[in-house]
Amino acid sequence: NAGVTQTPKFRILKIGQSMTLQCAQDMNHNYMYWYRQDPGMGLKLIYYSVGAGITDKGEVPNGYNVSRSTTEDFPLRLELAAPSQTSVYFCASSNFVGAQYFGAGTRLSVL
Amino acid sequence: AQTVTQSQPEMSVQEAETVTLSCTYDTSESDYYLFWYKQPPSRQMILVIRQEAYKQQNATENRFSVNFQKAAKSFSLKISDSQLGDAAMYFCAYRSDITQGGSEKLVFGKGTKLTVNP
Repeated sequence: NAGVTQTPKFRILKIGQSMTLQCAQDMNHNYMYWYRQDPGMGLKLIYYSVGAGITDKGEVPNGYNVSRSTTEDFPLRLELAAPSQTSVYFCASSNFVGAQYFGAGTRLSVL
Repeated sequence: AQTVTQSQPEMSVQEAETVTLSCTYDTSESDYYLFWYKQPPSRQMILVIRQEAYKQQNATENRFSVNFQKAAKSFSLKISDSQLGDAAMYFCAYRSDITQGGSEKLVFGKGTKLTVNP
């Protein structure tokens, strides 16, 4: 009964480093999403995917990349981390008619 | 484009009492879905309740119920017998009906911070 699993839970990066945030879902959902949430703010969509091999930009894609080689996995890549990318990152998934289900989040600090 | 408005940035309620959080939305679509999400201090986004627009009956989940007024484009959340664990940010969200050609993306409101006083 895992749902959406995100790793790591916490990470500190130095400016200019790169990393990949992992997201996996076991609900056989077609749709997957990456959001970021800055302190005191709502969620902003970074990228989303409607199925394996298909991805599209959301509201704030700059500085990020994604891939979707399988239905289950949707990793988010940060290249050349910047302090502006300090945030909490959420992965979510959904099916055609359902709600989005969220992972527990990854808290990222870029120093 | 659809928009979701939560006009109450903060609300407070006494433990064991009832509170209603407001949400209005704007859309030209006839089929869609509405959701309330809870985000406690742990920051996990938890689905509280969902409503399909084609259903006239208001959704209920234990102490949580909604008042869905389609014509007025209103979707309020009522929390009965409030508990300390209900303290959280609550987000209202809209999703189109994908089978009708709508977007699969959620549109979120800005959230309402609920405080529960003992």
